[in-house]
Amino acid sequence: TQLLEQSPQFLSIQEGENLTVYCNSSSVFSSLQWYRQEPGEGPVLLVTVVTGGEVKKLKRLTFQFGDARKDSSLHITAAQPGDTGLYLCAGGLYNQGGKLIFGQGTELSVKP
Amino acid sequence: ETGVTQTPRHLVMGMTNKKSLKCEQHLGHNAMYWYKQSAKKPLELMFVYSLEERVENNSVPSRFSPECPNSSHLFLHLHTLQPEDSALYLCASSSDRVQAGGNGELFFGEGSRLTVL
Repeated sequence: TQLLEQSPQFLSIQEGENLTVYCNSSSVFSSLQWYRQEPGEGPVLLVTVVTGGEVKKLKRLTFQFGDARKDSSLHITAAQPGDTGLYLCAGGLYNQGGKLIFGQGTELSVKP
Repeated sequence: ETGVTQTPRHLVMGMTNKKSLKCEQHLGHNAMYWYKQSAKKPLELMFVYSLEERVENNSVPSRFSPECPNSSHLFLHLHTLQPEDSALYLCASSSDRVQAGGNGELFFGEGSRLTVL
């Protein structure tokens, strides 16, 4: 069974703090996507990384794809209440033509 | 507004009812998907349609029956569901069938929250 493990599952922090969310697997991925889902909404794509070791920045969010393409991290600098939501990673399976599997999500709450 | 609209947003049904979930995408995409989202579990892919043809069915019980009359519309017909089927059902679309490779983006609807009594 191919699994994507996200950690932590829950995170509650104060506005201004930094945080990192991890997405790990024993499988190799052709690509790795991060989505954010706000309450009452569907997931929305934040970024796609495709090259081992790749780093992408989106304002205060930094995404990294592991060198071996088995893991990824999302780092948020100076978190704001608007960052609150469920963060989902999704990997395209290298040996199954890019079929996407999702992690179970990290629920982030940023308090003012 | 993602261009993918789901109705109804909320549905409560008994185990003997028959109901349907509807999804419409206004993005000109070729592929549409049904996902099940339960608390603390990964998104579960249920069905994939590419150019109106079902290309994937992930061992979903027959009490869930999908229908894709054209590339813009997708339905999920529900019949004799169980309480454990209560979940958020998400519809998504993409320009190409993501599972066939490529790094295409999935565009999700807001979901239909289903409660089975």
